[in-house]
Amino acid sequence: EAAVTQSPRNKVTVTGGNVTLSCRQTNSHNYMYWYRQDTGHGLRLIHYSYGAGNLQIGDVPDGYKATRTTQEDFFLLLELASPSQTSLYFCASSGAGTGVPGQLYFGEGSKLTVL
Amino acid sequence: GDSVTQTEGPVTVSESESLIINCTYSATSIAYPNLFWYVRYPGEGLQLLLKVITAGQKGSSRGFEATYNKETTSFHLQKASVQESDSAVYYCALGNTGANTGKLTFGHGTILRVHP
Repeated sequence: EAAVTQSPRNKVTVTGGNVTLSCRQTNSHNYMYWYRQDTGHGLRLIHYSYGAGNLQIGDVPDGYKATRTTQEDFFLLLELASPSQTSLYFCASSGAGTGVPGQLYFGEGSKLTVL
Repeated sequence: GDSVTQTEGPVTVSESESLIINCTYSATSIAYPNLFWYVRYPGEGLQLLLKVITAGQKGSSRGFEATYNKETTSFHLQKASVQESDSAVYYCALGNTGANTGKLTFGHGTILRVHP
């Protein structure tokens, strides 16, 4: 069973705070993604990666950094969090490996609130 | 750019009633888009419901079906008889073929509530 695990599941921080969202996949997938989901919007792609050390810019990258340390681990960093980054964040993976090739496998989401 | 528009929710139906969630797309950067429906049940991540990669074809899963209509640029999701367990958020999405098939354009999601 393809698996993507995110942590923390819920996070509250203040404006200007530093937040790291973590994602680990055990699917042996090469691609990993960070999306955000806001009311009235579809999921929007922040950053993605096709392997350890690689980072690609998505559609809404401003205010976010990301790092892919291993094939399994992909981190999203908010160094100066703002209320506009309050959102539900999803990590996903895809590629050859466990599961259906090319299909996206999502984590359960990380709800971030910036006060 | 590419975009997906789907039925505004929430959609509320009674168990055993029929369902249609509309989805239309605009694919300006992709000549032959793949079309998807993803579903998110409460407390879970999104999971693929069905996928169609060829215009004119129909996909089906768990009693749901959707037909890829290139003429009307639509990919409506239908089910003849819904169950309470179908209550979830449904997302229509489009993407490209090729290695990076996870780079999708999503609709805003449609909340479905099925009453017993």
